[in-house]
Amino acid sequence: GQNIDQPTEMTATEGAIVQINCTYQTSGFNGLFWYQQHAGEAPTFLSYNVLDGLEEKGRFSSFLSRSKGYSYLLLKELQMKDSASYLCAVRDSDEAGANNLFFGTGTRLTVIP
Amino acid sequence: EPEVTQTPSHQVTQMGQEVILRCVPISNHLYFYWYRQILGQKVEFLVSFYNNEISEKSEIFDDQFSVERPDGSNFTLKIRSTKLEDSAMYFCASSPDLGGIGYTFGSGTRLTVV
Repeated sequence: GQNIDQPTEMTATEGAIVQINCTYQTSGFNGLFWYQQHAGEAPTFLSYNVLDGLEEKGRFSSFLSRSKGYSYLLLKELQMKDSASYLCAVRDSDEAGANNLFFGTGTRLTVIP
Repeated sequence: EPEVTQTPSHQVTQMGQEVILRCVPISNHLYFYWYRQILGQKVEFLVSFYNNEISEKSEIFDDQFSVERPDGSNFTLKIRSTKLEDSAMYFCASSPDLGGIGYTFGSGTRLTVV
C-alpha cells in the first residue's frame, strides 16, 4: 500500500521562508511531485524529484531523500498569492508501466501580512 | 501553453442518473487519467488509459465507471448510476510518456449528485 503524510495546515508571514515536509511509504518509487492547488482549481505542477538532492526553481525548491522516504518543499520570499494547498504526490513503480500518482492530503498554507 | 480542457465545469445530477464527463487531453499526449477529489479530501487515482484500453484502475473504479476515447481528441468518464458519494471534483490528466514530468491536469468538473 501507499502512505503519504504531510502536515494539514501551516501559517507563515509574507516575505518569510516556509518548509513543507512530506514522508512516504510506497511499495515502489518512480519520482515525487509537488503541486500547488488553489481552492476549487486543478493542481498545478511545481517540482519533481527522482534522485536524492535539491531541485531549485526560482522561489521554490524541493528536496528528496529516498532512503528516508522524505521530501520537503521550500518556499522563499513568501507572497500572499502563495496561500494555497501544497500536494505531495508519489509515482509508484511497483507494477510495470505504472504511472499513476498517489497524493497526500495536502498542506494548506496561509500567508499572513 | 497546451492545456487539458474539461467540460462541463459544473454538473448537477439526480441520484441514479448517468453522467458523462468530458476531457480533451493535450494533443501529443498518449496517456490519459481520471482522478477525483471529494471536498476536503485528497486527490485519488481512478483510472489510466493507453492505446485505447485501461492500463490501471483503482478500487474506486468499479463497474459503475467506464472510460472511452470515442474519437481522436476526447476522453470521457461515464458514471452509470450516480450515488450521493460520487459528488466530487473530477480531474482529467494526460502525459506524453511514462516516467516523465509532463503530467498535466485539467481544470476539473465539479459533480454534485442530489
